[in-house]
Amino acid sequence: DVQMTQSPSYLAASPGESVSISCKASKSINTYLAWYQEKPGKTNKLLIYSGSTLQSGTPSRFSGSGSGTDFTLTIRSLEPEDFAVYYCQQHNEYPLTFGSGTKLEIK
Amino acid sequence: QVQLQQSGAELVKPGSSVKISCKASGYTFTSYDMHWIKQQPGNGLEWIGWIYPGNGNTKYNQKFNGKATLTADKSSSTAYMQLSSLTSEDSAVYFCARGRWTGRVHYFDYWGQGVMVTVSS
Repeated sequence: DVQMTQSPSYLAASPGESVSISCKASKSINTYLAWYQEKPGKTNKLLIYSGSTLQSGTPSRFSGSGSGTDFTLTIRSLEPEDFAVYYCQQHNEYPLTFGSGTKLEIK
Repeated sequence: QVQLQQSGAELVKPGSSVKISCKASGYTFTSYDMHWIKQQPGNGLEWIGWIYPGNGNTKYNQKFNGKATLTADKSSSTAYMQLSSLTSEDSAVYFCARGRWTGRVHYFDYWGQGVMVTVSS
């Protein structure tokens, strides 16, 4: 199975700042990485797939980059609604696997 | 709009089975795979498998072979997952999610709200 290592597990930032979250795969997954946002009381939201393709409705302040084994989710100019938990997921091979999550909190 | 409405929380006894549901609306149910995902505190998210309601084809994570059985009812646009021989390790939140295909394997564009299953005597 492809192991997905996400870091940091916890991140504190202020509105207006930019942050980056890393996701590393144990083997090459080409560009097949998705990012999700988890918020209390809401269903999980797909942000990005195939490494850098924004899902319809995802604000442009979100961006994804990377290929092979190293990927990054960047959020520019944080908005209050961005404070949430973020997960990565490889969609290159079965079984599908996820990172352990990054909790982004307000500083 | 696409919605996946899951059934309510379950409290079940060890050794028993439970069947949870996921009712889809807002799209053609038979045209997309439905996936199931397990979430335990501290264990992150685990993919269980998918079913294609159009023809009933399934694919499972080998780890869940014999534990989970996926079915779908086209007439009600509802997907089901049955978990058997329950132990405390099966206590978790279970999500359904609609799969999208990139030419490799799936990611998930819509999720249900999750169902908490608690296994306790």
